Amino acid sequence: GNSVTQMEGPVTLSEEAFLTINCTYTATGYPSLFWYVQYPGEGLQLLLKATKADDKGSNKGFEATYRKETTSFHLEKGSVQVSDSAVYFCALSLNSGYALNFGKGTSLLVTP
Amino acid sequence: DGGITQSPKYLFRKEGQNVTLSCEQNLNHDAMYWYRQDPGQGLRLIYYSQIVNDFQKGDIAEGYSVSREKKESFPLTVTSAQKNPTAFYLCASTSSHYEQYFGPGTRLTVT
Repeated sequence: GNSVTQMEGPVTLSEEAFLTINCTYTATGYPSLFWYVQYPGEGLQLLLKATKADDKGSNKGFEATYRKETTSFHLEKGSVQVSDSAVYFCALSLNSGYALNFGKGTSLLVTP
Repeated sequence: DGGITQSPKYLFRKEGQNVTLSCEQNLNHDAMYWYRQDPGQGLRLIYYSQIVNDFQKGDIAEGYSVSREKKESFPLTVTSAQKNPTAFYLCASTSSHYEQYFGPGTRLTVT
């Protein structure tokens, strides 16, 4: 089946530290990959996406590269801010119109 | 502004009562979804609908029901058969580019 595994949190970093949140996937085909962010009490917002191997998604200083050989889509940011504190979800989709498969989420806390 | 609205944001019910959660979108998306979110569990799919008047069960459909009479609307009913209904419920819809757009969620508490 299709599944996403992401590193367990919580992750606690100081402001301006480097962030990596690992995500690996298992899929029966060639998925599109996503990172979503959820702020407390809110819905999920799409952060970035990649639709084919070697694509790099980027947004708001966050980046992730679709690595087919390692089935990974790790999220990185060079310098985190307090406002980046949230829960981050990695997800995959095999077809438009079908539900996403989500990882369990990684909570990030950035301290001043 | 286009988007997905869910109402209410907080909902309280007594055990044994059915309750309906609203989800409306004005994005002209065909596919819509309901997820349940529990602490530490990520999102689990309850039901989804790819077109009007058609819907499919997700991974945890027991105790829930849906309808899709209009493209814009996909209400979810949490029935008294759902054994553990207290959770955060998220509605989403999908664009033609695979990405899903989420509503702000409804937090349901059943006592």
